[in-house]
Amino acid sequence: DAGVTQSPTHLIKTRGQQVTLRCSPISGHKSVSWYQQVLGQGPQFIFQYYEKEERGRGNFPDRFSARQFPNYSSELNVNALLLGDSALYLCASSFYTSGGTDTQYFGPGTRLTVL
Amino acid sequence: LAKTTQPISMDSYEGQEVNITCSHNNIATNDYITWYQQFPSQGPRFIIQGYKTKVTNEVASLFIPADRKSSTLSLPRVSLSDTAVYYCLVGENNAGNMLTFGGGTRLMVKP
Repeated sequence: DAGVTQSPTHLIKTRGQQVTLRCSPISGHKSVSWYQQVLGQGPQFIFQYYEKEERGRGNFPDRFSARQFPNYSSELNVNALLLGDSALYLCASSFYTSGGTDTQYFGPGTRLTVL
Repeated sequence: LAKTTQPISMDSYEGQEVNITCSHNNIATNDYITWYQQFPSQGPRFIIQGYKTKVTNEVASLFIPADRKSSTLSLPRVSLSDTAVYYCLVGENNAGNMLTFGGGTRLMVKP
């Protein structure tokens, strides 16, 4: 079974540019969450989406946005890139089942470098 | 969300059992305890999850005392490939739950 997939694997941008990262969840999973992991730290929550609606948002500026498509895949957009946006961007998917455990499974991440 | 405290780093040798303890004094009634493993430049990998007592799978065991204020991840007979960062997370494991990662424990397995 395919796990969570993310593209691209690596990306180099310059300050002020915009970037779009993509994520495909595990088959059957309906929720996608995005996390940012700066070198040496644990992942930090950015967004969660379910049924194309935003269900949660972390403490990130409005330059960060996301959306989810009918096939449950998702895109994360970051505008006006700053050097501090350089990080590993992780996507996690889950069933989004209520009344029981809902474990999140992570993809390999996209390494974004802002120069 | 309950805050977790775990050692910053641990060293071990191949073939030994490794126990990583996580403190979560403010754990709530509905909170689960989840452990993830992460290798450099890869996404975290789910290891094990529990609510109380003991949970065991093919990779690890999770021991949770009755008061649930701490938990211990046990890795039997570690190998060099177990060198990674291990994160302890506490929270409601229902739909919509955002994961809150701390700094994790860097485990170094030596030959």
